[in-house]
Formats: sequence, structure tokens, C-alpha cells
Amino acid sequence: DQQVKQNSPSLSVQEGRISILNCDYTNSMFDYFLWYKKYPAEGPTFLISISSIKDKNEDGRFTVFLNKSAKHLSLHIVPSQPGDSAVYFCAAIISGNTGKLIFGQGTTLQVKP
Amino acid sequence: NAGVTQTPKFQVLKTGQSMTLQCAQDMNHEYMSWYRQDPGMGLRLIHYSVGAGITDQGEVPNGYNVSRSTTEDFPLRLLSAAPSQTSVYFCASSYSQNSNQPQHFGDGTRLSIL
Repeated sequence: DQQVKQNSPSLSVQEGRISILNCDYTNSMFDYFLWYKKYPAEGPTFLISISSIKDKNEDGRFTVFLNKSAKHLSLHIVPSQPGDSAVYFCAAIISGNTGKLIFGQGTTLQVKP
Repeated sequence: NAGVTQTPKFQVLKTGQSMTLQCAQDMNHEYMSWYRQDPGMGLRLIHYSVGAGITDQGEVPNGYNVSRSTTEDFPLRLLSAAPSQTSVYFCASSYSQNSNQPQHFGDGTRLSIL
């Protein structure tokens, strides 16, 4: 039972354009959502998060949007850069400050120069 | 500042062997956890600890033991390795288990069980 799903295994975008990575979830008890970025042979690195009581959070080129009614969140990267090429994981935490991250399968982003 | 350090980076074991994956953090974080990453499945929580002396099971705990005798260290033990435990293992830590505290990951241990 996959509670967090990233249905697109890969995405290819031209440098300078917008990258949109999508994530769907099924559990209404999630209270925080996070995006992690992972390069080969390295651990995931925290990128940006959003509380379930908000619908948007922005940090520089990265913006996360949350649509609770659709149980959907997305990560927008504008403008995309070749260094953004990595695997992006969506993750969620169940309310109650458990610290337990539930990860999606990941989406591989390739930004072409 | 080293962050989260995992050793070894690579290991090959034979079925039935035991080993300990080491994890240490120097950020004085209370919360530590272990995940495994398998192809097409993202990361799954094995065990976690909210502080020294306290551990609990995650989503996939079978075949693994943990202990937390100090704040800094959180070793993961495989008592009798099985091929199904071939995976990449990540250790993570955060200031607390509060939802707004992002977790910091080590660079992983790639483990192969023959």
C-alpha cells in the first residue's frame, strides 16, 4: 500500500525552463510534506517542506504547492539548471511528531543544457 | 562539521553472516533513524530512536536490530544476513522528531548479500 506516490519515474527539461515534479498521497493524517534531492552515491538532501495548513511555500527557485482536496503536491523549479539533475523524492510525515518519513518512489530529473 | 557519517560505504556478505552498519552524527541530534532504499520503492523506515536508550520499529524491521547507547551513535545490526537484505542503507538524524525538523542523511552503505 503506497501512501505516497510519484507516478513519473523520469522528467527531462531544457535549461532555463520550468520543472514540475508531482506527488500524490492517500493518508489524510500527514501533517508535513518534504522534498529531498539525491545525487548518485550520496544521501538525500533536504530541499523544501510545507505544512499541511499551507498551500504554498517558496525558497528561491523552488516552490512547493499543496492541494489538500486533491491530495496532491508539486515541486516547481524555475529556472531549471543542469546542476538540478538528480533524483527527487517526495516524503510525508504522519501527524503526532513521530518523525517517521514516508517516501515516494522518486523522479529522476534531467536538465539539458 | 561532518554531519552524519556512515561506515562502511560498501560491503559484501555471504548468507548467514552477521555485521553491523555504523552511523554517527556530530550535531547533537536526538532523533536518529535507519532507512533502506530498493529499486522502484523509495526509502523505507527500518528502526528509529527518539533519544539515547529509546528505540522503536519502523515499517520494515524484521531481520534488523538497533541500540542507542549514546546520542551520537545508532548502529544497525544484521544478525543473519539474507539475500533480501541486499539494499542501500541510509542513516538520518534530526534535532527532534517534530514534523518541522528536516532530517539529515548520511551517504549510505551499499550492502550485497550473496
